[in-house]
Amino acid sequence: GAVVSQHPSWVICKSGTSVKIECRSLDFQATTMFWYRQFPKQSLMLMATSNEGSKATYEQGVEKDKFLINHASLTLSTLTVTSAHPEDSSFYICSAELGGNNEQFFGPGTRLTVL
Amino acid sequence: GEDVEQSLFLSVREGDSSVINCTYTDSSSTYLYWYKQEPGAGLQLLTYIFSNMDMKQDQRLTVLLNKKDKHLSLRIADTQTGDSAIYFCAERVGGGGNKLTFGTGTQLKVEL
Repeated sequence: GAVVSQHPSWVICKSGTSVKIECRSLDFQATTMFWYRQFPKQSLMLMATSNEGSKATYEQGVEKDKFLINHASLTLSTLTVTSAHPEDSSFYICSAELGGNNEQFFGPGTRLTVL
Repeated sequence: GEDVEQSLFLSVREGDSSVINCTYTDSSSTYLYWYKQEPGAGLQLLTYIFSNMDMKQDQRLTVLLNKKDKHLSLRIADTQTGDSAIYFCAERVGGGGNKLTFGTGTQLKVEL
């Protein structure tokens, strides 16, 4: 149980386009989901905390207009990278919190490459 | 602020024990975690420890916590080639919601 999926697993896009990444909790309801970014050989940096039905809380330095987060249901959160540029190329990982014990379950990640 | 540090690389021989260390700065940590990340994949939770505990053992894994020195370690007994991965420690701080602050990651390489 407690499986989190992400789609797509990898994406290559042209500079200036927008890319949407989905994060789904497959067998549980997640009131809170988290979006992280990981550069090669570096740690995970929290970008934002997403709560179902409310606006996401962004970490300092993360542009909310560039990284749009929608958490429309208890099993789905989406991250849209708007007007992507090469510096946005990274590994994006989401996690979903299983209510009650506060444990976070991580998705397999999405590798974004912007040309 | 929160700052979590780890050594970058550790190499061990198969069958030996591995010890991965982590230091943190926030004394109000409530939970401390160890995650494993294989290449191109997400994170797998290995184990966690409450901040009021000194030690936790789970099969081949032993977690030691020295709260006074803000030092956390993960010992893997009888290390196998399948243990080769990057290991992250993470802390959850009281009053910070359920946000996790991750360490810099330690790459473990297990050699035959």
